[in-house]
Amino acid sequence: QVQLAQSGAEVKKPGASVKVSCRVSGYTFSYFYLHWVRQAPGQGLEWMGKINPSDASATYTDNFMGRVSLTRETSTATFFMELRGLRFDDTAVYFCCRQSMLEYFDYWGQGSLITVSS
Amino acid sequence: SYVLTQPPSVSVAPGKTARVTCGGNNIGSKSVHWYQQRPGQAPVLVVYDDRDRPSGIPERFSGSNSGDTATLIISRVEAGDEADYYCQVWDSSNDHFVFGSGTTVTVL
Repeated sequence: QVQLAQSGAEVKKPGASVKVSCRVSGYTFSYFYLHWVRQAPGQGLEWMGKINPSDASATYTDNFMGRVSLTRETSTATFFMELRGLRFDDTAVYFCCRQSMLEYFDYWGQGSLITVSS
Repeated sequence: SYVLTQPPSVSVAPGKTARVTCGGNNIGSKSVHWYQQRPGQAPVLVVYDDRDRPSGIPERFSGSNSGDTATLIISRVEAGDEADYYCQVWDSSNDHFVFGSGTTVTVL
């Protein structure tokens, strides 16, 4: 069965960086785009970007002003989301999710809570 | 960028029909997908391509899409349907994915 297993919760200071992982299993790694979505406390879902596992090319929303990088490690079928220059309002649950063959998300990770606190 | 607008909340009595709208400029020309999110959980796809249901999703969940409004329809509402619901589309102009602001469905 398809599974997306994310890394655990972290607490970071303002200005620091965080790198969240998403290890996938149960399907062919290179066949499906992997996306990242975040959700601030009590807020809605915000799409961050996507990565093509075949060539590691990525597309990002403009909202993060170049602070985010999406990468992948083929040997371990793991995706990474790095967010730099953390601010208090980056406190959120970060989800990875698989894009189906069409333009929707059919499988989601459990979420990783990132707390930015001084 | 493309914007999707949802009402913050919808209330419905058990056994009745809930309709959650998602507004966007000419959204009828796009494929709309809907997710259910219960507190503390990851979203779950409940409707894709305007009106299709993934396996395991009850037939009570359906959708429509025309003009500037897409609608998620939940028939014979049950207490377990109480959750947040989000619409989502793909914006082909910039290859970005967009979520609506979300609607909390409350079962009275």
